[in-house]
Amino acid sequence: GQQLNQSPQSMFIQEGEDVSMNCTSSSIFNTWLWYKQDPGEGPVLLIALYKAGELTSNGRLTAQFGITRKDSFLNISASIPSDVGIYFCAGLATMDSSYKLIFGSGTRLLVRP
Amino acid sequence: GAVVSQHPSWVICKSGTSVKIECRSLDFQATTMFWYRQFPKQSLMLMATSNEGSKATYEQGVEKDKFLINHASLTLSTLTVTSAHPEDSSFYICSARDVRHFNGYTFGSGTRLTVV
Repeated sequence: GQQLNQSPQSMFIQEGEDVSMNCTSSSIFNTWLWYKQDPGEGPVLLIALYKAGELTSNGRLTAQFGITRKDSFLNISASIPSDVGIYFCAGLATMDSSYKLIFGSGTRLLVRP
Repeated sequence: GAVVSQHPSWVICKSGTSVKIECRSLDFQATTMFWYRQFPKQSLMLMATSNEGSKATYEQGVEKDKFLINHASLTLSTLTVTSAHPEDSSFYICSARDVRHFNGYTFGSGTRLTVV
């Protein structure tokens, strides 16, 4: 089935540093989404990408949709303690006229004050 | 914005009993809802797609007789874990698609199920 490979698996950085994580797939997705999940909560949408090559920002977050539509990266600039959490990429798959979100394995971010 | 309410937030039950989890879209109608399961330190795995007024579509490997899904209205889907066992202990999360927005997949806050 469709799988999304996300890296790195975890990151432990100093407050103020920039962060970069990426996601790759063997399949093409027409929409890529980036989510953040806090402990014991559901994921919250950060950024949605619709077009190959698209670069989108949301505050300190920037994400790009790869030209081949098989990869995406998420950058966080000037990290702060509240950035701690698990970040997931997700691809929107269309199957039998229905839509499904396929999630990557996640990147756990820890920020040292 | 779209809000999805999930209840209960956590539940502890004995082996062999059944547990029902509710997922409600509060300010929009959802013809389709999704149920995910997440084990500790793992990603969200799609269990089934819940369709209003019709049978749910289960992912490969998910037992439909064990995880009963009912989507009787445009704002409510329920997941019932029947004859629960300790290995069913997990974090269950629902999601609803807000058709007013193409990327409108809103998630509930999850239900932590512990079977003892």
